[in-house]
Amino acid sequence: QVQLVESGGGLVKPGGSLRLSCAASGFTFSDYYMSWIRQAPGKGLEWVSYISGSSSYTNYADSVKGRFTISRDNAKNSLYLQMNSLRAEDTAVYYCARDIESAADHWGQGTLVTVPS
Amino acid sequence: QSALTQPASVSGSPGQSITISCTGTSSDVGNYNLVSWYQQHPGKAPKLMIYEVSKRPSGVSSRFSGSKSGNTASLTISGLQAEDEADYYCCSYAGSRVFGGGTKLTVL
Repeated sequence: QVQLVESGGGLVKPGGSLRLSCAASGFTFSDYYMSWIRQAPGKGLEWVSYISGSSSYTNYADSVKGRFTISRDNAKNSLYLQMNSLRAEDTAVYYCARDIESAADHWGQGTLVTVPS
Repeated sequence: QSALTQPASVSGSPGQSITISCTGTSSDVGNYNLVSWYQQHPGKAPKLMIYEVSKRPSGVSSRFSGSKSGNTASLTISGLQAEDEADYYCCSYAGSRVFGGGTKLTVL
């Protein structure tokens, strides 16, 4: 069965950096686009970024463009999100998700990133 | 990348049908048949309920259906059940992706 497990969240100072990881199993990882989606405490969902199966195409929300970088290692079945210049408004649970037809059909349990103001 | 517009809350009694709207623009909902809907229970990860406007993933109840007219997509839940009480989010492809603000469904 499809399984996505995020890691790497934690408390980081404003302006700091953090790298999130997502370990995928139960499907042919390289066949799928993958996304990062976040949810601030008590707020709605916000799409962050997606990457194509071959890493040839990436896209980012305006709110993170130039600060976050999505990447993947198909040999390790892993998805990453490098987050730099972190701000208080980046505080959220970050979910890794598998994409089908621009929809997220499987989600991880999420990892919490906290940037104090 | 403005968020899609959803009602903050809807409610219904068990057995009834409810519809949640999701209004975008001609740059997102109106331009692509790539609208998806998610159900989220408190403290849980979201679950995909509808994709490509009206397709249901395997395992999702046929009580859930989706449609679109112009710049507005809709999620209809028929035969409302207590376990349907949750937050619901729409999402549209727009080059990037954009979510709606979410709708809290209360089953009375």
